[in-house]
Amino acid sequence: QQQVKQSPQSLIVQKGGISIINCAYENTAFDYFPWYQQFPGKGPALLIAIRPDVSEKKEGRFTISFNKSAKQFSLHIMDSQPGDSATYFCAARRDSGNTPLVFGKGTRLSVIA
Amino acid sequence: NAGVTQTPKFRILKIGQSMTLQCTQDMNHNYMYWYRQDPGMGLKLIYYSVGAGITDKGEVPNGYNVSRSTTEDFPLRLELAAPSQTSVYFCASSYRDEQYFGPGTRLTVT
Repeated sequence: QQQVKQSPQSLIVQKGGISIINCAYENTAFDYFPWYQQFPGKGPALLIAIRPDVSEKKEGRFTISFNKSAKQFSLHIMDSQPGDSATYFCAARRDSGNTPLVFGKGTRLSVIA
Repeated sequence: NAGVTQTPKFRILKIGQSMTLQCTQDMNHNYMYWYRQDPGMGLKLIYYSVGAGITDKGEVPNGYNVSRSTTEDFPLRLELAAPSQTSVYFCASSYRDEQYFGPGTRLTVT
């Protein structure tokens, strides 16, 4: 049972374009939705996160859009740069404690000049 | 402040051998986790711990064991290594929401 479904598996975007990665979840008890960024040979690192009390959160060029009724959330990267080339994971967790995160399968983003 | 450290970085094991992957964090986090990452499969939770002396199984615990005798250390033990355990292993720790990951151990079982 895959609790968090992520798409696409890979994405190629031109420099300056918008990268969009989507995730869908099944468990309505989830209440914390982070995105992690992973560069080759490194561990994942938190990029941005959202809770269901807001529909959007923006940090610099990165925006999470959240649709509670559709049980979907997405990451938008504006003005994509070659340095954004990495693997991105969405995740979700129920309760506001430290129950383990459930991760999507990841999206490999390549930003080409 | 080194964060989460993992040793070794790389290891090749023969089938049936055993080994321990070490993980240490210096942030005084109560929560620690072990994940494995296989290509195109995301991060799968092996075991986690909510504090010293307390551990619990994740999604894929078979073939692994853990212990948590101190807040800082959370070693992962592989007994009787199998080719299916070829993977990249990540340790992580957290205090509240954010999980901090180590650099990973790349393990090959042949």
